[in-house]
Amino acid sequence: DARVTQTPRHKVTEMGQEVTMRCQPILGHNTVFWYRQTMMQGLELLAYFRNRAPLDDSGMPKDRFSAEMPDATLATLKIQPSEPRDSAVYFCASGLLIGNTEAFFGQGTRLTVV
Amino acid sequence: GENVEQHPSTLSVQEGDSAVIKCTYSDSASNYFPWYKQELGKRPQLIIDIRSNVGEKKDQRIAVTLNKTAKHFSLHITETQPEDSAVYFCAASKGGGADGLTFGKGTHLIIQP
Repeated sequence: DARVTQTPRHKVTEMGQEVTMRCQPILGHNTVFWYRQTMMQGLELLAYFRNRAPLDDSGMPKDRFSAEMPDATLATLKIQPSEPRDSAVYFCASGLLIGNTEAFFGQGTRLTVV
Repeated sequence: GENVEQHPSTLSVQEGDSAVIKCTYSDSASNYFPWYKQELGKRPQLIIDIRSNVGEKKDQRIAVTLNKTAKHFSLHITETQPEDSAVYFCAASKGGGADGLTFGKGTHLIIQP
């Protein structure tokens, strides 16, 4: 059963600390998305990659957030320095997006910044 | 950019009745409209989707309709069951979904026994 795997599932950190979230997309998928979910804003697209190249990160605060895809099996989302307003669930999703537009979501990383 | 409005925010229906959730979108270039179901503490999961060249699509108790002229689309669930209780999100995308999704704010569907 192919799944998108995210680590860690939960993270509590102090304001100002660096946070790195990892995502392993489904093998063979060529597109990886990062979404953030909060009660106030709902689900928001932060950034996405196709064939490991960043295509759009306009939804991401550039001063503190960065997203990378060092290889086809790993995508990372980093926050440095973290702030309480970054507290949210961060979802990674992947898709093949050729003939099939479904994006499969990972379980998410619940981030709490205190 | 795209803006997706979703109504209602909460919907309570009796088990066995039908539920309808409505969404509007702003960008006429959007051509892919999926619906996701999210149970508490879980990931969003696709339940049905529709492309702009189709007006209606059905999968067992779930159906989606699309009106491109009015830029709105709806989710219809018939014969609701307790396991249908969840938050439902509509979304819109250009490029057939390849460019990322813009989500509505969600509808909390409550099925009353």
